[in-house]
Amino acid sequence: EIVLTQSPGTLSLSPGERATLSCRASQTVSSSYLAWYQQKPGQAPRLLIYGASTRATGIPDRFSGSGSATDFTLTISRLEPEDFAVYYCQQYGSSPWTFGQGTKVEIK
Amino acid sequence: EVQLVESGGGLVKPGGSLRLSCAASGFTFSDAWMTWVRQAPGKGLEWVGRIKRKTDGGTIDYAAPVKGRFTISRDDSENTLFLQMNSLKTEDTAVYYCTASLGYWGQGTPVTVSS
Repeated sequence: EIVLTQSPGTLSLSPGERATLSCRASQTVSSSYLAWYQQKPGQAPRLLIYGASTRATGIPDRFSGSGSATDFTLTISRLEPEDFAVYYCQQYGSSPWTFGQGTKVEIK
Repeated sequence: EVQLVESGGGLVKPGGSLRLSCAASGFTFSDAWMTWVRQAPGKGLEWVGRIKRKTDGGTIDYAAPVKGRFTISRDDSENTLFLQMNSLKTEDTAVYYCTASLGYWGQGTPVTVSS
């Protein structure tokens, strides 16, 4: 099973700042089958990025994904008030699919 | 518009069973890989299992904590996904989401396992 470790656990930033979230895998993620989700309280997760770097439909271009093999990054170029949430990475390249433990982006 | 609507959640005693359903609309259900994901109260997301579309063999995989107790199935004629949960444990308490092709999620159905 591929274990995904996200860091940091919490990111305290101000609106307008840049956020950099890390997701590290215990083994190579096959074909960069790595996704990022955003979840707000009381809501279902929303897909942001798939294939490590492809934005899902309707996702603003301030969100970008990068990386390969075992190291992946989600970058939010300039934080908007609605971006404060919890972010999860997920690998879907090998079974069982797995999620990281999440990074909370909070207002400083 | 894509819709995934879960149902069947509720309160059940340890050792009991529950069957969740997920009614899908707005997309070609038979073409989709469908998954179940759960989230315990105040915790992160946990992948439960996935069923591929029939043209990809219909393969089903499960997470270790539920293997042998949970069964995923699909009815493509009714556009519905199922999760049969047996031998339930208190640690199975969570909101259960069905998802399609990564990007579509239902609103979830809560399952509470408690005596």
